[in-house]
Amino acid sequence: GENVEQHPSTLSVQEGDSAVIKCTYSDSASNYFPWYKQELGKGPQLIIDIRSNVGEKKDQRIAVTLNKTAKHFSLHITETQPEDSAVYFCAASKGNRDDKIIFGKGTRLHILP
Amino acid sequence: NAGVTQTPKFRVLKTGQSMTLLCAQDMNHEYMYWYRQDPGMGLRLIHYSVGEGTTAKGEVPDGYNVSRLKKQNFLLGLESAAPSQTSVYFCASSYGRLANTGELFFGEGSRLTVL
Repeated sequence: GENVEQHPSTLSVQEGDSAVIKCTYSDSASNYFPWYKQELGKGPQLIIDIRSNVGEKKDQRIAVTLNKTAKHFSLHITETQPEDSAVYFCAASKGNRDDKIIFGKGTRLHILP
Repeated sequence: NAGVTQTPKFRVLKTGQSMTLLCAQDMNHEYMYWYRQDPGMGLRLIHYSVGEGTTAKGEVPDGYNVSRLKKQNFLLGLESAAPSQTSVYFCASSYGRLANTGELFFGEGSRLTVL
C-alpha cells in the first residue's frame, strides 16, 4: 500500500524567514496530495492541495510543488508569522471510490520571534 | 453549521472495558473516517465508510469495530479496551471521491486513556 514519508519531524525558523517541508510517496498511482495544518487542541484543517496534473500551486504565502517522476512534493511557507506555528501533515490518495488518504507523520513547525 | 462533532471529548477506561465514540456530521457527506493520532506516528486510518451501511478497514483496524447505520453518524467501538488504544481519535468526513472533492473535515478529537 501507499507509504508517505515526511521530513523534518521538527522545524524551527525565525519569523519572516521561509519554511520548507518535504514528503515522498511510494505509490505511483497516487494523484492527489493535500496538506493539513493542526493547531493545538484542534483537528487538522486543509490549507492547500495539488493534483497530479499540476506541478505547482500557490495561495498567498503558501505554495506546494509536485515532482511525479521523483514521487515527492513539498510545502513552502514564505514570510512566516507566529500563527504559522502548528503541526503540518502531508498526505496522498489515489482517488478511487474506495480511496484511502494516507498521511505522513507530521512536522511540528516553530516560528521563533 | 456544527460540521463534525465527536462525543465524548475525553474518556478514561480500564483495561477490558468497552465504549463507543460517536461522530456526527451535518454536511450530508458520503464519506466518513476514523483516525487515531499518536505522538510521532501521525494520523493512521482505523476504519472508513463510503456511504450509509458500508464500512471498510483502514491501516490499523484491529481491536475496533464501526457502524454506519445512518448517513450522518459513524460509530467507533472498542469491545475490550487495551492500553495500546490510548490515543486521540479523530473523525472526519468528505463529500465524495477524495480526488474530485478535496477536503476532509475533521472533528476536534476525542482523547481516550486506557489504564
